[in-house]
Amino acid sequence: ETGVTQTPRHLVMGMTNKKSLKCEQHLGHNAMYWYKQSAKKPLELMFVYNFKEQTENNSVPSRFSPECPNSSHLFLHLHTLQPEDSALYLCASSQTSSALEQFFGPGTRLTVL
Amino acid sequence: AQTVTQSQPEMSVQEAETVTLSCTYDTSESNYYLFWYKQPPSRQMILVIRQEAYKQQNATENRFSVNFQKAAKSFSLKISDSQLGDTAMYFCAFTQETSGSRLTFGEGTQLTVNP
Repeated sequence: ETGVTQTPRHLVMGMTNKKSLKCEQHLGHNAMYWYKQSAKKPLELMFVYNFKEQTENNSVPSRFSPECPNSSHLFLHLHTLQPEDSALYLCASSQTSSALEQFFGPGTRLTVL
Repeated sequence: AQTVTQSQPEMSVQEAETVTLSCTYDTSESNYYLFWYKQPPSRQMILVIRQEAYKQQNATENRFSVNFQKAAKSFSLKISDSQLGDTAMYFCAFTQETSGSRLTFGEGTQLTVNP
């Protein structure tokens, strides 16, 4: 595997389910990010981790819970989501959180019923 | 707060022709960076080109070039000799020099290259 990978690519869940999104980067980077991409809206930065420490939470509801066990892995735990949370969730990484270029994964298409 | 505006939700171009995508931004900062990202149907966002605000020379990457007008806060992307593989959503993005991780994106322009 190369670059940034995300699993699953598609996820359908009910509002009472608990699920997790996984991101893995194979680039030796130290910063990782979660973005939300909704139709006809700009990408929204959700969380930033730098050297496993969360450095930014962009006022994200607590039903989204990130976890960064090491610099290569990033999770987004989901529970009691709402239909308006349906979106494409993109993971990205960069050398550090001050680096200019971010490398993106292919995203997880989430549908909340 | 910084904002990025892409006023063209959709554009189309014939293969081998040239197309220009528009982007304007608003900031009070003097040092910043601008980007164009491409998101093809595979959804993988790819950096196309980057421009440093302190550089007067417009950035160029093969068939992709920008027209950076700092006073007008305009940052357009020109794609020459368009190819079918250029069909994608294109996002303009901005970051301040001091906050490399905080990218502000525009809403995107869907470009379709027709054979």
